[in-house]
Amino acid sequence: GAVVSQHPSRVICKSGTSVKIECRSLDFQATTMFWYRQFPKKSLMLMATSNEGSKATYEQGVEKDKFLINHASLTLSTLTVTSAHPEDSSFYICSARDPEDRPRDSPLHFGNGTRLTVT
Amino acid sequence: GENVEQHPSTLSVQEGDSAVIKCTYSDSASNYFPWYKQELGKRPQLIIDIRSNVGEKKDQRIAVTLNKTAKHFSLHITETQPEDSAVYFCAAILSGGSYIPTFGRGTSLIVHP
Repeated sequence: GAVVSQHPSRVICKSGTSVKIECRSLDFQATTMFWYRQFPKKSLMLMATSNEGSKATYEQGVEKDKFLINHASLTLSTLTVTSAHPEDSSFYICSARDPEDRPRDSPLHFGNGTRLTVT
Repeated sequence: GENVEQHPSTLSVQEGDSAVIKCTYSDSASNYFPWYKQELGKRPQLIIDIRSNVGEKKDQRIAVTLNKTAKHFSLHITETQPEDSAVYFCAAILSGGSYIPTFGRGTSLIVHP
């Protein structure tokens, strides 16, 4: 089945630095990827939809200058948390849908997530 | 937009008991409802799903029921085992739209041996 790989799985950074998280679709081409943020014991909050070759679509309340998304190829989307602060500490998960899956509303394939800790 | 409510937030059962998690949705046009299981620190995994043209679906110890009129759907786990302990998310998808799922807030299921 379709596999989504996310890297790194854990990262600790200092306040004020930037962190890049990669999300790759390993055996399919994903024109669209989704980035979620998850707080402890909370649900998956959609941050943005990453579109290959165009600008990402951000959800209301998500700062696009803070969370930079780049989807430069059909198999790679990156999320960069810029000038990180302790409140950015969270679990970030990417997901994608294989465009070959039918019907079109088939389940999302999730990456393993990245635990970000900002000190 | 779609709004999904999920209850309870925490569910504690004894091994062998049944567990039921309920979700309601607001958009009557939603027609696909997946359920995900997420173990601590891991990715959500699809465990079962149901489409609006079906009222019930079963896969071994797991079943999902859907009541489109009342706009609610439920996950049923029978003969629970400690390895069923995880967070479970329901979701609703509006097919023909963005196909982006709206997730419930999650239910933390704890199965005591």
